[in-house]
Amino acid sequence: GDSVTQMEGPVTLSEEAFLTINCTYTATGYPSLFWYVQYPGEGLQLLLKATKADDKGSNKGFEATYRKETTSFHLEKGSVQVSDSAVYFCALASGGSYIPTFGRGTSLIVHP
Amino acid sequence: GAVVSQHPSWVICKSGTSVKIECRSLDFQATTMFWYRQFPKQSLMLMATSNEGSKATYEQGVEKDKFLINHASLTLSTLTVTSAHPEDSSFYICSARVGFTGDPYNEQFFGPGTRLTVL
Repeated sequence: GDSVTQMEGPVTLSEEAFLTINCTYTATGYPSLFWYVQYPGEGLQLLLKATKADDKGSNKGFEATYRKETTSFHLEKGSVQVSDSAVYFCALASGGSYIPTFGRGTSLIVHP
Repeated sequence: GAVVSQHPSWVICKSGTSVKIECRSLDFQATTMFWYRQFPKQSLMLMATSNEGSKATYEQGVEKDKFLINHASLTLSTLTVTSAHPEDSSFYICSARVGFTGDPYNEQFFGPGTRLTVL
């Protein structure tokens, strides 16, 4: 079945550092790929998405490119802020239902 | 963006009692609602999908008689954990979307979750 693997956290960075959170997936067909973010005490929010190979999703300075050849969708940001501290979930959706399958989440902690 | 609320945000109950968790879409009508369960440092596991006015569809391994789901209106779904036991302690998250399943561009909006602790 479909599955998502993302790097374990927590990832701890200083402010303005470069961020990469790795995500790889296994799926039949051609899934849509997503990154969700969960700030403390809040629900998950869609951060960005890509629906086909080579698409780049971007939002709030975050980017991720749909790489079919490596089945990856790594999340990157050039300069993180303290306010980016949150848990980030990689997810895919495929098949007729398009209900997301989530990775375990990666906690990001950004220090001033 | 659209807002989904959950109530309560946390609940502690005794073993053997039942607990009801509400999920509301505050500014949109949700044709489909989902219930997830999240264990510490684990991903969200889909428990069930419900479309307004019809019975919920449960994922394999989820006991429908234990986790009762009601989606009586376009803005409210409830999850009732019946005869709760300590192993039911978890973080329960709901989400809602406007369209029916099968639409790849229909975004899900998530609630903040409910922490259930069964003593």
